[in-house]
Amino acid sequence: GDSVTQMEGPVTLSEEACLTINCTYTATGYPSLFWYVQYPGEGLQLLLKATKADDKGSNKGFEATYRKETTSFHLEKGSVQVSDSAVYFCALRDPGYSSASKIIFGSGTRLSIRP
Amino acid sequence: GAGVSQSPSNKVTEKGKDVELRCDPISGHTALYWYRQRLGQGLEFLIYFQGNSAPDKSGLPSDRFSAERTGESVSTLTIQRTQQEDSAVYLCASTTTAAALTDTQYFGPGTRLTVL
Repeated sequence: GDSVTQMEGPVTLSEEACLTINCTYTATGYPSLFWYVQYPGEGLQLLLKATKADDKGSNKGFEATYRKETTSFHLEKGSVQVSDSAVYFCALRDPGYSSASKIIFGSGTRLSIRP
Repeated sequence: GAGVSQSPSNKVTEKGKDVELRCDPISGHTALYWYRQRLGQGLEFLIYFQGNSAPDKSGLPSDRFSAERTGESVSTLTIQRTQQEDSAVYLCASTTTAAALTDTQYFGPGTRLTVL
């Protein structure tokens, strides 16, 4: 079945460091890919998305490129801030499901940024 | 309000009791989803509703779990005879439609359920 595998956390970095959170997926069709973020005490919210191969999603300085050849959607940021501390979830929605509404989530990666 | 709301925010119950969790989706959103998030784990899909269509219940873990939705408004998730393994955060999300793969899901803050 479809699945999402993402880098285990927690990840702890110093402010202004480079970030990469790895995400790979398996899917039967051509899924849309998402990164969701959950800030402390808040609900999940969409960070960015990409709907087809080679698309790049970006938001708040974060980027992720849909790589079909490696089935990956790694999250990157060049210079992290303390305010980026949160849990990040990689997810996919696959048209191969009979009900196309399901989103499959990874297990989440907790990111902590030290001042 | 503008977002998805859920109540209660926290629920502590004793093993064997029934609980009911409530979700108010964003007005006009036809699709509504329930997920479960156990401590340190990802989100597990439970059930989704799309308008007046039959709900997709394929994620419900047992027959102790059920959910209802009245039209395109409030949904309730009921867990009967709760067990300790039911302890988790239960998240509700809504979107404008279930059909478009790129639709953004808007999540509520969740209900944290603790079964003693």
